[in-house]
Amino acid sequence: QVQLQQWGAGLLKPSETLSLTCAVYGGSFSGYYWSWIRQPPGKGLEWIGEINHSGSTNYNPSLKSRVTISVDTSKNQFSLKLSSVTAADTAVYYCARGSGGIAAAGTSVHYYYYMDVWGKGTTVTVSS
Amino acid sequence: SSELTQDPAVSVALGQTVRITCQGDSLRSYYASWYQQKPGQAPVLVIYGKNNRPSGIPDRFSGSSSGNTASLTITGAQAEDEADYYCNSRDSSGTRVFGGGTKLTVL
Repeated sequence: QVQLQQWGAGLLKPSETLSLTCAVYGGSFSGYYWSWIRQPPGKGLEWIGEINHSGSTNYNPSLKSRVTISVDTSKNQFSLKLSSVTAADTAVYYCARGSGGIAAAGTSVHYYYYMDVWGKGTTVTVSS
Repeated sequence: SSELTQDPAVSVALGQTVRITCQGDSLRSYYASWYQQKPGQAPVLVIYGKNNRPSGIPDRFSGSSSGNTASLTITGAQAEDEADYYCNSRDSSGTRVFGGGTKLTVL
């Protein structure tokens, strides 16, 4: 059974760089997209970005200028860096495994994507 | 702001059926995935694709899609179904996006 274990610094000062890592245990690293998602206190989920095993990335445009997601396939790990943090970046950060494809039925074509395995979350607080 | 719109709150009587909806233009070509989140816990995938349930998800959970609206239906809601529910798809730029979430109360 695939498990994601994540870790990183939980308390940062404004302007510092957030750094989190997620390790994949018990399953293949290739063939999936590996995502970071965050949730500010009392608010909804926000997708940050994703990477695949070959290093291809997609980022949320609202965070793109500050985000870097990287992968270390030798360790089955992927990492998130978010620079110049402010109090608005205070949130629980989750890593997750994503899968997707195309479903065709007759003339109808639909794409699908889902995140089926999640880490437990890391609380990151930005405070001076 | 999210390009997937969900009702902020929905309630259902114990044992009754409830539908949680998610609206967005991308849903005309993308199936939504649905996540259940209980307080202090990570989200859990409950529905993906046209109407697929991961292993371990009760069959009272089902999904459907029509036009720009995706729906998550719970048939015979149980007390343990009380949670926040989020849909996920893509927005018009291709970025993955979550709906704002629906808080389900089981009365």
